[in-house]
Amino acid sequence: SYVLTQPPSVSVAPGKTARITCGGNNIGSKSVHWYQQKPGQAPVLVIYYDSDRPSGIPERFSGSNSGNTATLTISRVEAGDEADYYCQVWDSSSDPPVVFGGGTKLTVL
Amino acid sequence: QVQLQQSGPGLVKPSQTLSLTCAISGDSVSSNSAAWNWIRQSPSRGLEWLGRTYYRSKWYNDYAVSVKSRITINPDTSKNQFSLQLNSVTPEDTAVYYCARAPTGMVQDPFDYWGQGTLVTVSS
Repeated sequence: SYVLTQPPSVSVAPGKTARITCGGNNIGSKSVHWYQQKPGQAPVLVIYYDSDRPSGIPERFSGSNSGNTATLTISRVEAGDEADYYCQVWDSSSDPPVVFGGGTKLTVL
Repeated sequence: QVQLQQSGPGLVKPSQTLSLTCAISGDSVSSNSAAWNWIRQSPSRGLEWLGRTYYRSKWYNDYAVSVKSRITINPDTSKNQFSLQLNSVTPEDTAVYYCARAPTGMVQDPFDYWGQGTLVTVSS
């Protein structure tokens, strides 16, 4: 089945740029979605179809996807961005076909 | 604005049935575009998609193979909600359970609205 690999943790100082990667075999051929999850809360969609932002999500959040790596980029990081971030794809050859990454804990220093 | 409100017990005994309901506002369970999903999250298994129900002139269900023999997801059009039943639970089914909407019916859809989550503990 398809595997999505995320770094367990990423640390960044306020005002800097955080990049969270999601690795998968030829992930560039798939549509990647990103979710933010704060403690005790449900996940929130922050990027969909690689680089689209839902309404209400700050422009500081952006995404890209090419080759074997998708990346969520958070510019001008704020303390409120501290959360777990998950990537997700649909893979027809996997079961279940909805595949989530293991998550990355973003720490704002 | 779509809202999903979950309800159901937080404690289930081993071998019994886990039952949760997700009430929908701002959309319809009978929508010809959306799909209605159950997803769970545990420290050992991470986020795990369990299944979905959707209406395209008739009702369809898709289930993850790992739970297919034990799971039922049903729509309730009279109450605009859908439910999850998971039979013969074991402590491995202990998790936070979420309902979520996939908005356009494409298999690659994101999950754009989520319920608040229900921690279900399987224990005697």
